Formats: sequence, structure tokens, C-alpha cells
Amino acid sequence: AQTVTQSQPEMSVQEAETVTLSCTYDTSESDYYLFWYKQPPSRQMILVIRQEAYKQQNATENRFSVNFQKAAKSFSLKISDSQLGDAAMYFCASLMEYGNKLVFGAGTILRVKS
Amino acid sequence: DTGVSQNPRHKITKRGQNVTFRCDPISEHNRLYWYRQTLGQGPEFLTYFQNEAQLEKSRLLSDRFSAERPKGSFSTLEIQRTEQGDSAMYLCASSPWTGRDTEAFFGQGTRLTVV
Repeated sequence: AQTVTQSQPEMSVQEAETVTLSCTYDTSESDYYLFWYKQPPSRQMILVIRQEAYKQQNATENRFSVNFQKAAKSFSLKISDSQLGDAAMYFCASLMEYGNKLVFGAGTILRVKS
Repeated sequence: DTGVSQNPRHKITKRGQNVTFRCDPISEHNRLYWYRQTLGQGPEFLTYFQNEAQLEKSRLLSDRFSAERPKGSFSTLEIQRTEQGDSAMYLCASSPWTGRDTEAFFGQGTRLTVV
């Protein structure tokens, strides 16, 4: 069974600064996918970034990047140049290759201060 | 296409009543998922469909819950004899499953309050 753990219930960052959200996971699979989803208040969840476990290179999407440590089963999200619109709940999630469902962590609330 | 649509957005019901939620996925997405999200927690998988076939159900889905996806288009999730513990956000997602990972697109959810 897969499990995903987010140990930071809440984080704060100053506008224009950098923040890192932590995520650890556990799986017995060798091939899987990891995701960070953003859920703004009262709005739908959207995909921020994803990582294929077989790729060693860390994924990057504009101001968002990940630090994927496969051996340590760690998958952190770095948000650079934080903006007010980044304030949201962030969920880390995993999916087995050919899997049928996402397994989510409990989420981290990110607050951005102006 | 404007994305995954869920109706109603909010539902308040008395304990013991039946409720039904609807999800309209993105056109041509053959996979449709239902998740439940309680306050302060991440979404938990309930069930999914490949076209019209319901292929997996979580043990979270008790006998009071039933989901359908007739003709492989929209889906409904019905909860019979609602209990206070059913209060949660019910999320629907769809994806164009091609055999490997693809992005799941989520709706805004239906928030159920059982009083």
C-alpha cells in the first residue's frame, strides 16, 4: 500500500521569497508518479507539477520545482518568488504506474504575506 | 469544454435522507473518479469508472453509497440514509486514460452537510 505524509500543516512565506513544502511517501513499487496539487479556497484542485520516479532529473515548472530523492522517498516542492496567488492548500500525491487512484497526503496550508 | 462540472455545489440534508450528486467529466475522458475530502485531510479515493464500467470501489464506500456512470458520460453518486459522518466534500475527477499516467482534472466538488 502507498502512503503519503506531509508533516507541515501550515507554512508562511513573505511575498517574493522562497518556500519549500515537504512530502515523504512509502511504496513498494519501483515505478510510480508523484504530484503536487494546489487547492485554492473554494476552487478546484489543479496540478502544479509531477515527477516520474524513473527520471532522475527534478521536474520544473516556471517558479515551481521539486527535489526528488528516490532513496529517501522524499518529494519536496520549492516555490520561488512567491506570489499572493500562491496562497492555497497544497497536496502531495502518488500514483502507481498503471495505477487506478491517487493517494494524497493531508495537505499543507500555504499563506503568503504581503 | 469548461472542465469537470459538479452539481450541486452545496447540499444540506437531514440525517436519514437520501442525496444524489452529479459529475460531468471533460468530454472524451474515459476515466472518472470519486474522492471524499473531510476537513483538514487530503482526498480519499472512493471509486472509479473506465467508461461505463465501475472497476474499483474503496472499502470506504459502504452499502449506503452507490455510483453509476450510464453510457460512460456523466456520473452520479448517491448516498442513502445519510449520517452525520457523511458530511464532507465530494470531489469528482476525470482523465483521458491511455494506459499510463495522465493528469487527473478535478471539479470544484459538492460540499455535503448532514444535520
